[in-house]
Amino acid sequence: DSGVTQTPKHLITATGQRVTLRCSPRSGDLSVYWYQQSLDQGLQFLIQYYNGEERAKGNILERFSAQQFPDLHSELNLSSLELGDSALYFCASSAIGAGGLNEKLFFGSGTQLSVL
Amino acid sequence: GNSVTQMEGPVTLSEEAFLTINCTYTATGYPSLFWYVQYPGEGLQLLLKATKADDKGSNKGFEATYRKETTSFHLEKGSVQVSDSAVYFCALSDGYGQNFVFGPGTRLSVLP
Repeated sequence: DSGVTQTPKHLITATGQRVTLRCSPRSGDLSVYWYQQSLDQGLQFLIQYYNGEERAKGNILERFSAQQFPDLHSELNLSSLELGDSALYFCASSAIGAGGLNEKLFFGSGTQLSVL
Repeated sequence: GNSVTQMEGPVTLSEEAFLTINCTYTATGYPSLFWYVQYPGEGLQLLLKATKADDKGSNKGFEATYRKETTSFHLEKGSVQVSDSAVYFCALSDGYGQNFVFGPGTRLSVLP
């Protein structure tokens, strides 16, 4: 158990709809990362938050948005869903090493999104 | 920008065979290097890491050495088991949390 909790585990919805994926990081971790994993694109970095603020942005579509709340949990919002958005969405949190550097990521078990 | 290249597989081996999964990287500065493993139906978990040149990361019989001169971090195991069947991801981090970059993953299947 990584200590990172993602809900729901599975989500089935229709094109054009909007969904929200939730992530609770490990206790004490301030950074949250979102990744999309699909068969043809591999593991794609979407966005990172650190202590409530956006820290880095990757290949995140404009239809997607995220936020990190004061209690450090994060939500990824996906809107105007398309068939191609079907994928496994992972959340990860990072541990800060003694030198203040992020040493490694702890991943949740993911949310499998199916857009029909 | 930073990038990671690894052999995509799939790799199929018999139990007790020797495993090598190649990984090379492009990065500025001095990144940390990682191997993550994803077992079926699960999220990624850290397998091993190395934070500076010539460091060797090791765990569960797997090893990888940070080679700055060849910008490589190849994963090796002397004798694989069926339970090692998984997808293996090479990754790097600039160490400041700005960017973890993952390779495309290599699927390993070990047959009894």
